[in-house]
Amino acid sequence: EIVLTQSPATLSLSVGDRATLSCRASQSVSSSLAWFQQKPGQAPRLVVFDTSNRATGIPARFSGSGSGTDFTLSISSLEPEDFAIYYCHHRSGWPPELTFGGGTKVEIK
Amino acid sequence: QVQLVQSGAEVKKTGSSVKVSCKASGGTSSSYSISWVRQAPGQGLEWMGGIIPVFGTANYAQNFQGRVTITADDSPRAAYMELSSLRSEDTAIYYCTLGTSIWGQGTLVTVSS
Repeated sequence: EIVLTQSPATLSLSVGDRATLSCRASQSVSSSLAWFQQKPGQAPRLVVFDTSNRATGIPARFSGSGSGTDFTLSISSLEPEDFAIYYCHHRSGWPPELTFGGGTKVEIK
Repeated sequence: QVQLVQSGAEVKKTGSSVKVSCKASGGTSSSYSISWVRQAPGQGLEWMGGIIPVFGTANYAQNFQGRVTITADDSPRAAYMELSSLRSEDTAIYYCTLGTSIWGQGTLVTVSS
């Protein structure tokens, strides 16, 4: 069973700052790693899939990188609407088995 | 554009069962998967299981084995998640997701004695 560990748990930043979120897998997931954004009262929204591909409608300030066991989601310059909880995610198999990290909350400093 | 619409909020007694539906509108490919994910209040995302409707093949997370049943109809396209032997810890928002890129709006299930 793959375990995804996210750090930090909370990131306190200001509008315009760069955010760097980390996700570590307990074993290699190759490039099969995605990131979701979730705001209060809303369903998760796919931000990045397959490590570095932005989902439809996601602005270019979001970027993903990594491979194997270590992955990063970067937000180059935080906008007010970016403050949210971010989850990393791996899926495998068919039907897929889904694994989620514990989440990183990006909050306004 | 595919949308997933889930059934409404439920209040259940401990020990009972709940069945949540998830209906797809708009075009989808014939081979797709629907997964169920829940989120307890203030907690993270927890995968429960999933199904490929065209094949009827389902898999379940170990934490829910024996308590959850996921089924689907291919026409009209809908999936269902039934959770039995409810306990207070099952109070959560239950989401269906199509391939994890499209999500339903969530269904709040409240379990109390």
